[in-house]
Amino acid sequence: DGGITQSPKYLFRKEGQNVTLSCEQNLNHDAMYWYRQDPGQGLRLIYYSQIVNDFQKGDIAEGYSVSREKKESFPLTVTSAQKNPTAFYLCASIDRGGKASWAFFGQGTRLTVV
Amino acid sequence: EDKVVQSPLSLVVHEGDTVTLNCSYEVTNFRSLLWYKQEKKAPTFLFMLTSSGIEKKSGRLSSILDKKELFSILNITATQTGDSAVYLCAVEGNYGGSQGNLIFGKGTKLSVKP
Repeated sequence: DGGITQSPKYLFRKEGQNVTLSCEQNLNHDAMYWYRQDPGQGLRLIYYSQIVNDFQKGDIAEGYSVSREKKESFPLTVTSAQKNPTAFYLCASIDRGGKASWAFFGQGTRLTVV
Repeated sequence: EDKVVQSPLSLVVHEGDTVTLNCSYEVTNFRSLLWYKQEKKAPTFLFMLTSSGIEKKSGRLSSILDKKELFSILNITATQTGDSAVYLCAVEGNYGGSQGNLIFGKGTKLSVKP
């Protein structure tokens, strides 16, 4: 079945470590996005990619990095420079059809710094 | 600055009540407005609105968009405990040469008590 897969579902990181969150989609969508969600907050955009080998910073890109070497994959690395990484991370791919776009979400990764 | 504002931020009702959730926006070159329901993890799609005054309905849920006044409402009639969730509003705009991003509001947390 087509969809977006994020892994792992839960991730624990020690302070000072880099960790990479996986996001894979088989929907053939060009655009992929990473959002961060904190309690009581909406989704804030970290990075997005409209096409392979290209990506742009969102509103809260500091301390994060991404790559887009394949259409299907858009991994997010949370670096040690991110001061408060504990959050719920959602990956989405966007179907830009016609007049409007549809966002499809993965199930999310909950990252906790211990 | 583009923004999406949802109100109220939280709402507690009893089963059988009718609720109205609000979403106002300011965005460059509006393309679409989307409503999502988020329970435990990934948001699930409810509605996409692109034209003013056309009501979208799905069971007890309905939504309408006013592009002149820049807002949308999501109505839920005869609420049930299963409607308890965070309801997210997102707006897509166009920015220059590349297609736009989805900007999310903070969400409305709805709690339906038996």
